[in-house]
Formats: sequence, structure tokens, C-alpha cells
Amino acid sequence: EAQVTQNPRYLITVTGKKLTVTCSQNMNHEYMSWYRQDPGLGLRQIYYSMNVEVTDKGDVPEGYKVSRKEKRNFPLILESPSPNQTSLYFCASSLRDSGTEAFFGQGTRLTVV
Amino acid sequence: KQEVTQIPAALSVPEGENLVLNCSFTDSAIYNLQWFRQDPGKGLTSLLLIQSSQREQTSGRLNASLDKSSGRSTLYIAASQPGDSATYLCVPMNTGFQKLVFGTGTRLLVSP
Repeated sequence: EAQVTQNPRYLITVTGKKLTVTCSQNMNHEYMSWYRQDPGLGLRQIYYSMNVEVTDKGDVPEGYKVSRKEKRNFPLILESPSPNQTSLYFCASSLRDSGTEAFFGQGTRLTVV
Repeated sequence: KQEVTQIPAALSVPEGENLVLNCSFTDSAIYNLQWFRQDPGKGLTSLLLIQSSQREQTSGRLNASLDKSSGRSTLYIAASQPGDSATYLCVPMNTGFQKLVFGTGTRLLVSP
């Protein structure tokens, strides 16, 4: 089954404790991206990747890092999480750029206390 | 810059009604348009994908139309059910764009 898998689904952590949210797709997609969703602000792009070793900032990259060492994986790293990073996070992938059909992960609900 | 507007922002109807959700976008040079639903606090479920060469797409009780030249898409929901209650998001997709542009969605509540 074609899918985008995020882990964990739920995470509560403390300020400053490094964490990684994993994202994996099994469709051999080139394009992957991360979004966060906050009430009243909709979905905002954090980072995206056009292919292996090619990443770039989205609209709200501060406080986040990403890597794309393999085509299927695109982890989101929070080196020192802060409460303002409490949000619902989504990973998405598509065959090429954002003009092709998008597939989303189930979301990760992150709470930073 | 692509901007997406969805009307109405919220809709509350009794079960059984036929519904129309509207989406307009400013940049008509799109490759595809995708409709999603999102349940509260949950992920995005893809409902329909309309390619730019198509005028409509159907899946069960859902029918989406696309008027690319005027920058509009419409999602029709026939015989609405309480299980249709969710937020519906329209996403026009431009090639060469590096991000998806989302509207604020239409929040639908269908009462039994």
C-alpha cells in the first residue's frame, strides 16, 4: 500500500530535549516536505526536499533541521524544542515537485512543556 | 503568488442535504487540484485529484469540478451524512512551486 508513515503519532517532551520525528514513504517520490498546523494559521511549510541531499527552507524553518540521506526518509529534527513548537506536524511526499499528487502522513501531535 | 479562498468558512446542515463547497485560487496555471478532508486533530485524507485537463472527478457521493481558467473548483457532496463532518481543504498545485498552498478550509457539520 502506498503510504507516508510518520512516527511517533503523539509526543510530549520538555523544553530543550532534542527530538526527531521520522517520515518515510514507499512510493519512490522525489519530493518531500514538512508542514506544521496551528489553529487559525492553517498549514505552513517548514522545510522541503527535492531529492536526496537537496533540502531548502520553507516559510517557518526556525528551530528545525532536516536531512535527506535516503530517498524514502525525511526526518524532522528539533535540536532544542520550545513551547512555541507545540503543534500538529505533517510530512508530505509527491512524485516530483508540489504540482503532482500529494500524499500526507497521519500527523504527529507534539507538545513541548 | 497563489492564494486560495474557500467559501463558506463553516457550514452546518441536517443529514441528507446536498452540499456545495467552493474554492477559488488566484494563479490558474495549475497542474492538478486536490481536495482533502481533515477530521479534528487528525491527518489529511485525499478525496479527489483533478488534473488540469479534466473538468470533473467523481468518487462515490463526491463530485469535484474544475474551471481552471476562472480559478475555481467546487466540491459537491450528495446526501450528506454525519460522517461527512470534517474540514475540507482545497489545494491547487502548480508545477515548479516548492510548497502546497492551502486555503483555510470549509468546516462542515452534518447533524443527524
